[in-house]
Amino acid sequence: AQKVTQAQTEISVVEKEDVTLDCVYETRDTTYYLFWYKQPPSGELVFLIRRNSFDEQNEISGRYSWNFQKSTSSFNFTITASQVVDSAVYFCALSEAGAGGTSYGKLTFGQGTILTVHP
Amino acid sequence: EAGVAQSPRYKIIEKRQSVAFWCNPISGHATLYWYQQILGQGPKLLIQFQNNGVVDDSQLPKDRFSAERLKGVDSTLKIQPAKLEDSAVYLCASSFGQGGYGYTFGSGTRLTVV
Repeated sequence: AQKVTQAQTEISVVEKEDVTLDCVYETRDTTYYLFWYKQPPSGELVFLIRRNSFDEQNEISGRYSWNFQKSTSSFNFTITASQVVDSAVYFCALSEAGAGGTSYGKLTFGQGTILTVHP
Repeated sequence: EAGVAQSPRYKIIEKRQSVAFWCNPISGHATLYWYQQILGQGPKLLIQFQNNGVVDDSQLPKDRFSAERLKGVDSTLKIQPAKLEDSAVYLCASSFGQGGYGYTFGSGTRLTVV
């Protein structure tokens, strides 16, 4: 069975600090997809990134970057120069793929990390 | 492009009452999902539809929860009778096919059972 673990329940930083959110996953599939979502206080889930298991290239998008290491089953998320607007709950999620590499679509979420950025 | 629409936004009911939630996915999205998010936890899949057929309902408490997807578009999720532990946010999502592309969540319905 697939499992996602976000060991950090809460993180508190001061604005402009860099912060890394850890995500470790378990799956028996060789083809799978990893996601990060942001959930601000308003409650909606905002998509941040989708990465398939064959693409281990790190990705940077503005102040956000992701480090995917298949050898350690980790998909960590770093926010550089954090801002107050980054305060939210962040979820890592996993979706296993069936034959042909097409994801079944069911997302297994971690427990989430509450990030608070203080001015 | 319009997002995933859900209603109502909030609902308060007494235990043993029934309640229904509605979801309208993004136009053209064949796959629709209902998730339950209990406070302090990540969302958990309740049921997944592909068009109007059920793909996965293994975690749906079928003795009290039911869901349908009319004509492969809108969907309703019903709870009857509600229990205190059903208090949660119910999130609807949709995507292209089963590939997870364009996976988009609605704003959710916050249910409080008293």
